[in-house]
Amino acid sequence: GNSVTQMEGPVTLSEEAFLTINCTYTATGYPSLFWYVQYPGEGLQLLLKATKADDKGSNKGFEATYRKETTSFHLEKGSVQVSDSAVYFCALSDRGFGNEKLTFGTGTRLTIIP
Amino acid sequence: DVKVTQSSRYLVKRTGEKVFLECVQDMDHENMFWYRQDPGLGLRLIYFSYDVKMKEKGDIPEGYSVSREKKERFSLILESASTNQTSMYLCASSSGQGEGGNTIYFGEGSWLTVV
Repeated sequence: GNSVTQMEGPVTLSEEAFLTINCTYTATGYPSLFWYVQYPGEGLQLLLKATKADDKGSNKGFEATYRKETTSFHLEKGSVQVSDSAVYFCALSDRGFGNEKLTFGTGTRLTIIP
Repeated sequence: DVKVTQSSRYLVKRTGEKVFLECVQDMDHENMFWYRQDPGLGLRLIYFSYDVKMKEKGDIPEGYSVSREKKERFSLILESASTNQTSMYLCASSSGQGEGGNTIYFGEGSWLTVV
């Protein structure tokens, strides 16, 4: 079956530091890959996605590249801000009718200190 | 923008009560989902639906049921609430069609405490 393994947290960084949150996956088909972000007290918001190998998703200064050879989708940001403090979830979705449901990693809590 | 609205943000219920969690989406999406979120476990799928009156079990359906009488509304039902169902519940939807069809949009969540 499908599974997602992401870097355990919590992660604490200083403002303007470089961020990497690792994510690897196992899937039987050719999944789409997602990063969702959850700010305190809120639901999940889509941060970025990639639908095929070598695609790069990007949004709000965050980037992730779909690496089929290493089955990875690591999240990166060059200079984090306090407002980036949140929980980040990596997820995958198989394609095809009936397979749109997401499989999530356990989440990584990120705290940015001024 | 897609909007997924969950009717209650915070609920406190007693053990044995029947609990309804309501969810409405305004984008005519075919697919709707209920997840629960627990620390250290991430999000786990309870039930999902691909069409009106259609439902399928997710990974943890025990103790739950669902209802989808109208396309825009998907209800989660706890027939007899128990303390181990204290959690955050997230409703979500997706169109299921086209290039971005498998992008899932979430509501803000419902915090349920069973005492």
